Parts: sequence; C-alpha cells; structure tokens
Amino acid sequence: QVQLQQWGAGLLKPSETLSLTCAVSGASFNDYYWSWIRQSPGKGLEWIGEVHYSGSTKYNPSLKSRVTISRDTSRSQLSLQLTSVTAADTAVYYCARGRTVSGAVAPFHDWGQGTLVTVSS
Amino acid sequence: DIQMTQSPSSLSASIGDRVTITCRASQGISNYLAWYQQKPGQVPNLLIYAASSLQSGVPSRFSGGGSGTDFTLTITGLQPEDVATYFCQEYISAPWTFGRGTKVDIK
Repeated sequence: QVQLQQWGAGLLKPSETLSLTCAVSGASFNDYYWSWIRQSPGKGLEWIGEVHYSGSTKYNPSLKSRVTISRDTSRSQLSLQLTSVTAADTAVYYCARGRTVSGAVAPFHDWGQGTLVTVSS
Repeated sequence: DIQMTQSPSSLSASIGDRVTITCRASQGISNYLAWYQQKPGQVPNLLIYAASSLQSGVPSRFSGGGSGTDFTLTITGLQPEDVATYFCQEYISAPWTFGRGTKVDIK
C-alpha cells in the first residue's frame, strides 16, 4: 500500500517561501514520477510540477518561475519550494504518485493527506 | 494547455437515481481521462482511468465512457455515500489539467 506523508509550514506572510516535504513508502521511489498538486476555491485543482528520481523536473508554465521541486532518493522524499508567495497561493497542497519512469502516462493513483497553506499578512 | 470543462457544476438527485456528469476536453485526448471522487474534507480518490477502467475497489455502479473530447461519468443507483465532488483530469500531456468539479448531493 503506497503512503505519502507530507509536512511543512501552514502559515506564511506575503513574499515568503513555501516549503513542503513528502515522504513516500510502500512503493519504489525510483519507479515513478512524483508530483505536487494544489487545490483552491478560486483555481480548483492545479498541477504544479513533477520530479523524476534522477532529479529531472517538469513544471507548470504558470508557476515555473517560482517553483523548485527536488528529491532525496535516499529518504524517498520529494520537496516543494514556491517563492514570493501571495494570497493567491493559499491552497491545500498535495503530493501524488504520477506516471511511471518507463514513460507510460498515468493519472494520480495515490495522494498525500494534504497541507493547508495560508498566505496572510 | 488542455482545458477540461465539466457540467453541470452541481446536481441534486434522489437515492437510486442514475446520475451522469460530462467532461469535455478542448482538444482530443484519446482515452487519457481519469475521474476522481472527493468527499468533504478528504483527499481526491481515483475512481476511473483510461476513460472507462474502474479502479480496484470502486463499486460497479460507477462507470465511465467516451473518447476524444467528450466523456461521461455515470452513477447507476445513487447511494448516500456518493455525496461528493467529482473531477475529471486529462493525462495525455503536461501540464496535466483538471475540470472544475461537479458537486453531487442528495435531494
């Protein structure tokens, strides 16, 4: 059974950097791409980006200038950093298991529990 | 980016009713379409992938159909535990995109 456990700061001030980490268990970290997704009342579900065990990444162009997704394969963890946050970045953030490294596309089978991040002065 | 348009945005139906939700893609996506169920306060849960394949453990009253640009999610015999918001998602090309959701409740 795949489990994704995530954590990070839930309250930020405008211009600060959002930082979240997600630990994967029950699946080989090296077999999949791992994504971050966020959900807000205003924008619905929005894919932020993904990371491959090699460290290669792909980002949503709408956030690319502010996003960094990294991984620590020794700990089976992925991390998200989003810089210069504003109130528009207030959302629940999820990590999720995506497509396989063989290249086969896939939906998001497994999700973390979600972290509510609020940006407020 | 591919735009995913769901309709209706909300619906109310009676227990036992047949409910159909539609999802339209702004361009052809073959059958790379997934449906998720999100109950209040919970994480999205994958129901259907490849437009019509039921995820393991999902009740058979859920079914999906369509190909190309037009897709449906049908609940045949609505149950109280089906109260949730349902989202479609394309996964043919990044950035993967989602519909805005259809909220289903009981009349």
